[in-house]
Parts: sequence; structure tokens; C-alpha cells
Amino acid sequence: EVQLVQSGAEVKKPGESLRISCKGSGYDFTIFWISWVRQMPGKGLEWLGRIDPSDSYTTYSPSFQGRVTISTDNSISTAYLQWSSLKASDTAIYYCARRGDAHLDYWGQGTPVTVSS
Amino acid sequence: QSVLAQPPSASGTPGQRVTISCSGSRFNIGSHEVYWYQQLPGTAPILLIYNDNQRPSGVPDRFSGSRSGASASLAISGLQSEDEADYFCAAWDASLSGVVFGGGTKLTVL
Repeated sequence: EVQLVQSGAEVKKPGESLRISCKGSGYDFTIFWISWVRQMPGKGLEWLGRIDPSDSYTTYSPSFQGRVTISTDNSISTAYLQWSSLKASDTAIYYCARRGDAHLDYWGQGTPVTVSS
Repeated sequence: QSVLAQPPSASGTPGQRVTISCSGSRFNIGSHEVYWYQQLPGTAPILLIYNDNQRPSGVPDRFSGSRSGASASLAISGLQSEDEADYFCAAWDASLSGVVFGGGTKLTVL
């Protein structure tokens, strides 16, 4: 059974750094891209970017380029989304999903991130 | 402002048929397949329709999708109370080189 299991909720202060994770199981992690999707409180879905675990090639939405970094550790079948300096506007639920196009066939359960002073 | 346009809300009574529209441009829906996601309250989205009109295993055949030109639609027949959820359309956008979503439609079963 394909599963994407994400790390737990985070509460951070503005300016702090953060890395959240997404562990894949039940399939060959290196074959499928991983995408990250944001959902701000009460809002819709926004695609942040994607990574090809086989070669770590990444692409980002223009809206998020330079704001976040996507990476993987294939030895533990885990993808990461990280920020170097959080803002209050980063408060949202972040989902990882399998595949790098609009056909997002499996989703993680989501990681709530709260940024508040 | 989402790249793909959806009505913010839709409603129907049990047993009715409802449709949700999704409008885009030649850069996304006009040239790429459309996908639909269902998000039940407090849960992660799930894939409902892929490649315009295909259902993943486990999705009831009450759900159907279609695409024409730069628009697409999701139809739900035999509406049930458990269909009350948010529905999002998505497609690849060639001008942005990324995935774009609709703003979502909140379906209420009256």
C-alpha cells in the first residue's frame, strides 16, 4: 500500500528556520516525483514545486521560487520542504503528494505550520 | 486569484445531479488533461478524476468528468450526504511550467 506520512505540526516564530518531512512507503521512492502543496487557512490549494528523487532535479512555482527549498534523502525514502526564514504568511497546512504533474495520486496527511510571534 | 476559475459554491438535494465547472486557458486546460480532487472537512485531498474523465479504483461511477476546449466540468449524480466536500480542479500550465488549481467549490447537500 502506497503511503506518504508527514511530520507533525510545527509552531515557529517569524525569522526561524524549519524543515518538514514526507516519508514514502509501499513503492519505489526514486521512480516518482514528489510535489508540495500549500493550503492557507480557509483557502484553496497552491502548488509550491516538485522534486525528482532519482537525480534531485527540482522545479518551483514562480510564486515560491527562492522562498522554499525541496530536497530528498533517498536512503530513508523521505522528501523535505524547508524555509530559512519563516514569515507569518507561511502559516498553512502543507501537503506532499506523489508525482510532479497535476496527477497527484497519493497525498500525505498534511503538516500544519503556524508562524506567530 | 486562482489560475483556474471555479464557482465558490454549489448545492443540491439527495439524489440530484450537480455539475461544477472549471475554466482555464489555452496554456492549461486547453492543452493539458484535467484532474479533480475531493477534500472532505479536515482531511487531505484525494484524487477523484484523472485524465479528464477517468476514475481511480474505489471512486463511485456517480462521479464523472469532461473537458472541452479550455473548460472542464465535474458531474455528480445521485447526490449523497457524504459528497459534501470541497472540490478542486487542476491542470498543468505550460506558461508557468507548474501545476495550477482552481479556487475550489464547496458542495453543500441540502
